[in-house]
Amino acid sequence: DGGITQSPKYLFRKEGQNVTLSCEQNLNHDAMYWYRQDPGQGLRLIYYSQIVNDFQKGDIAEGYSVSREKKESFPLTVTSAQKNPTAFYLCASSILAGAETQYFGPGTRLLVL
Amino acid sequence: DQQVKQNSPSLSVQEGRISILNCDYTNSMFDYFLWYKKYPAEGPTFLISISSIKDKNEDGRFTVFLNKSAKHLSLHIVPSQPGDSAVYFCAASAGGNTDKLIFGTGTRLQVFP
Repeated sequence: DGGITQSPKYLFRKEGQNVTLSCEQNLNHDAMYWYRQDPGQGLRLIYYSQIVNDFQKGDIAEGYSVSREKKESFPLTVTSAQKNPTAFYLCASSILAGAETQYFGPGTRLLVL
Repeated sequence: DQQVKQNSPSLSVQEGRISILNCDYTNSMFDYFLWYKKYPAEGPTFLISISSIKDKNEDGRFTVFLNKSAKHLSLHIVPSQPGDSAVYFCAASAGGNTDKLIFGTGTRLQVFP
């Protein structure tokens, strides 16, 4: 059963704390993406990776970091520098960089305590 | 600066009737457009796309129309079914770079019996 998994479903962050959101895909896709969704707004691109060991900043990369050490995995760290981290985070992948369709995971909701 | 706009936050349609969801864009460099459907607490799923060289693309009950001069696209669903009730996002990309999708804010469609 191929797909994209994100964990956890809900995540709570204390002030000043870094947290890492997991994204794994077993679709053998080259490209992976992280988006943020806020109420009343569209999805905004945080970071994307076209291939292993490479990634680029999206439109709102400040306060976030990523790594792409394995093809299957693209974790996102929300650092303490991100002043407004409460949002719904979506991970996606596509078969190749620039492919027509991105496939999305179920999302992680991050809340600040 | 919202480059992709969905001005109707919600739409209510009776089952069997046509649903028309609209999307406007401002960037004349956009050349590829997609529609995604999203259920609550799930990631978006790809629905249909259109390239700027076309003005219509059809897939079963779903048809997307593109009016380049008006910078407007629309998604028609006919006949509408209760299972179509979801949030619909339009997205656009420029220069063939579908790694950087710009999403609209979404329209919530409710199909009632």
